[in-house]
Amino acid sequence: KNEVEQSPQNLTAQEGEFITINCSYSVGISALHWLQQHPGGGIVSLFMLSSGKKKHGRLIATINIQEKHSSLHITASHPRDSAVYICAVTGGSQGNLIFGKGTKLSVKP
Amino acid sequence: NAGVTQTPKFRVLKTGQSMTLLCAQDMNHEYMYWYRQDPGMGLRLIHYSVGEGTTAKGEVPDGYNVSRLKKQNFLLGLESAAPSQTSVYFCASSTRPGQGTQPQHFGDGTRLSIL
Repeated sequence: KNEVEQSPQNLTAQEGEFITINCSYSVGISALHWLQQHPGGGIVSLFMLSSGKKKHGRLIATINIQEKHSSLHITASHPRDSAVYICAVTGGSQGNLIFGKGTKLSVKP
Repeated sequence: NAGVTQTPKFRVLKTGQSMTLLCAQDMNHEYMYWYRQDPGMGLRLIHYSVGEGTTAKGEVPDGYNVSRLKKQNFLLGLESAAPSQTSVYFCASSTRPGQGTQPQHFGDGTRLSIL
């Protein structure tokens, strides 16, 4: 079993829809990260959180430490949000990330 | 502010050839990492470094070597390339874990094909 599980693997939405991507993890963590990767592009950090909720523009990330679960929400989705969203956790002293397999989001106009 | 820069961006090698991937960061970060990304799999840690002159193995280190002679640079070497090493390689850097809520910063990746 992977230490970080994401769902769904693929997601297609219409422009304007509210989107939720889920992440569950099975290890102890110091922080959880949400990353964005555009096709053929690099990886950008969206959020790093260890408790509660963070918001940046139309993106909201939440984490429930007791349930070992996090969600990434996108409000009023737009075609430019189309990308792969990756959940990752840090737990060890070396600080490396343990990654989920990613969720490929496609937002249709 | 360049952040994390990887060179080259693309490379095609023949089996058995050697090459070095360079990662440079200008943020004075202590920690640096090399990951590989393969279809259907999450990124996996190859090697990492917690400071100048130190390196350590990650999850998938076989076939790779690394060096961190200068704090800003982290080199990934393939001594004898194999088709199984065809992948996209990402370098990342961060401050020391525990020193505030700082994320990892990633380079744009190196697409490597081994024929």
